[in-house]
Amino acid sequence: DTAVSQTPKYLVTQMGNDKSIKCEQNLGHDTMYWYKQDSKKFLKIMFSYNNKELIINETVPNRFSPKSPDKAHLNLHINSLELGDSAVYFCASSHEGRSAEAFFGQGTRLTVV
Amino acid sequence: AQSVTQPDIHITVSEGASLELRCNYSYGATPYLFWYVQSPGQGLQLLLKYFSGDTLVQGIKGFEAEFKRSQSSFNLRKPSVHWSDAAEYFCAVGPYGGSQGNLIFGKGTKLSVKP
Repeated sequence: DTAVSQTPKYLVTQMGNDKSIKCEQNLGHDTMYWYKQDSKKFLKIMFSYNNKELIINETVPNRFSPKSPDKAHLNLHINSLELGDSAVYFCASSHEGRSAEAFFGQGTRLTVV
Repeated sequence: AQSVTQPDIHITVSEGASLELRCNYSYGATPYLFWYVQSPGQGLQLLLKYFSGDTLVQGIKGFEAEFKRSQSSFNLRKPSVHWSDAAEYFCAVGPYGGSQGNLIFGKGTKLSVKP
């Protein structure tokens, strides 16, 4: 059973399009995250979200928006895609607690052409 | 500001040789420290973590890491490297912001293994 799963694994789309990446976790965690890994493999937090609070990294453009239909899902919507959005996007989840650790999905490679 | 530095971008070791990957951090309080591994085309897998207590922590796949507060370091070690260990290794520190899983990652060290 995959703990944190993302779909699709690969996404190729044209500039200007709107796309979504889905994430589901079956670990019973209460907090989920989106990370972006750029072409140099650098990982940076984009959002963290639980049922109480959305924390946004201030460097993330507002074209990116997380949507959580329930505790087990956190989808990433991206509007008006740009070439610079090409990256690998990782979903993760954790418990809110002193010994929390983040579990990561397999990643979605987004290519904007 | 909080940050993680992995000084080595790429390391090549021979199979069977020992390995040490360096990680230095800057963090205002007692950090949580992690090492993750990313195999080609794969997601991130947690190797080990340090929260408190014994400063030498054991992880999966025969890896260990030692937290040295005085040096702000959390270096990853393995006594004998296997070809399957070839991957990208990321050191991370947290939490910051409001959630435990908000991690700051280093830029990674790519490990190549020679036969």
